[in-house]
Order: sequence, then structure tokens, then C-alpha cells
Amino acid sequence: DTAVSQTPKYLVTQMGNDKSIKCEQNLGHDTMYWYKQDSKKFLKIMFSYNNKELIINETVPNRFSPKSPDKAHLNLHINSLELGDSAVYFCASSQFVSTDTQYFGPGTRLTVL
Amino acid sequence: ELKVEQNPLFLSMQEGKNYTIYCNYSTTSDRLYWYRQDPGKSLESLFVLLSNGAVKQEGRLMASLDTKARLSTLHITAAVHDLSATYFCAVPPGTYKYIFGTGTRLKVLA
Repeated sequence: DTAVSQTPKYLVTQMGNDKSIKCEQNLGHDTMYWYKQDSKKFLKIMFSYNNKELIINETVPNRFSPKSPDKAHLNLHINSLELGDSAVYFCASSQFVSTDTQYFGPGTRLTVL
Repeated sequence: ELKVEQNPLFLSMQEGKNYTIYCNYSTTSDRLYWYRQDPGKSLESLFVLLSNGAVKQEGRLMASLDTKARLSTLHITAAVHDLSATYFCAVPPGTYKYIFGTGTRLKVLA
């Protein structure tokens, strides 16, 4: 069973479009995250959610809107996609805040043309 | 703002050799994490270091943490090709947030 899953794995779209990425974890964790990994492999946190509540928003443009319908799901919707949004987006979860390791999803490679 | 720096950024080494990757961070934290990422893959947890002086070992990898020096090391013993990957350290500056290092891309040559 996959612990943290994301769909889709690949996303190719035109500038200006709107797209969503879905994430689900079956680990029973309370906290979920979105990360962006750029072409140089630099990994930066975007959002943290705890029990469906947004806790951290790392100055991400408001074109990015996360939503957590329940503890097991954290989705990411992106409006008006730009070239600079091209990256790999990783979802992750952890059981307890800052004491447990994070478990990462397989990633979604977003390419904006 | 917390900065987490790793060096070297790139490391090419021969099989059978030893080497150390360094992770320096700029603010206090009593915890540090190491992850491995294979090309095109996700991140996999390697070690969780939860206190000053913590040392963890798994196979040919050994990680340590010195919170006073704000330094962690990942030591590779007798490298093998399967260890080729990118290694990241990560530090939590507070709750709900982790800052990742720049990554060290390791290539082990046969």
C-alpha cells in the first residue's frame, strides 16, 4: 500500500491554465505539507496543514490555493499558471509536528509551456 | 531566516573510498533529518537526529549531530555504486516547518 500518493504524476499545460494536484496519505498522520523542488533540486516548503487547518504559508503567490477536505487529503490548486511554476511538487506528511520524520509522495512534475 | 548549507554540492568518488558530507545551519535547532533522493524519485528518510551528540548508523552511512556547532555530518564508508543519489539534510526552525539543505549530489564510480 502506498503511504503518500499524488495524482497526477505528470502535468503538462499551457500558461494561463488552472490545474490541481491531489495528495492522499493513509498513515493516519495529522500534518501534511506541500513542497516545490526546482530544476536545481532545491526543495522549499510551500504550505503546512495540521488537522485540516492551514498553519504555514511560505509567501506563496495567492494563485496557489491548498485545500484539505480531511486529515488524509491535501490538494493544491494553481490558477493562471506561469512558466516559473514548472517544477516537481511533493506532498508529505508527518505524525507529530517537528519530532517525526516526513513521508513524501512520489511527486508531480509540472511543466508549463 | 534560517539557512541550511551543505557541502560539497557535488561529489564524485571511487567505490571503496570514504567521504563526509557536511550540513551547517544558521540558527538553533535540536533536531536534524537526513533524506536520500534517487534521480526522478521521491525523498526517503535516512536518519532522524534528535539531540546533541546523536549518532545513527545504517549500513555504510553514519550521521551525527553537533547542535552547539550547528553541524551535522553524513559519513560514507567504503562507498558502493548503490549509494549514488542526492542527499539532503533538513532542519526544523520551529513547528510545522522544515528547511532543507541545498543537497549533495553523490556519484560513486565503479
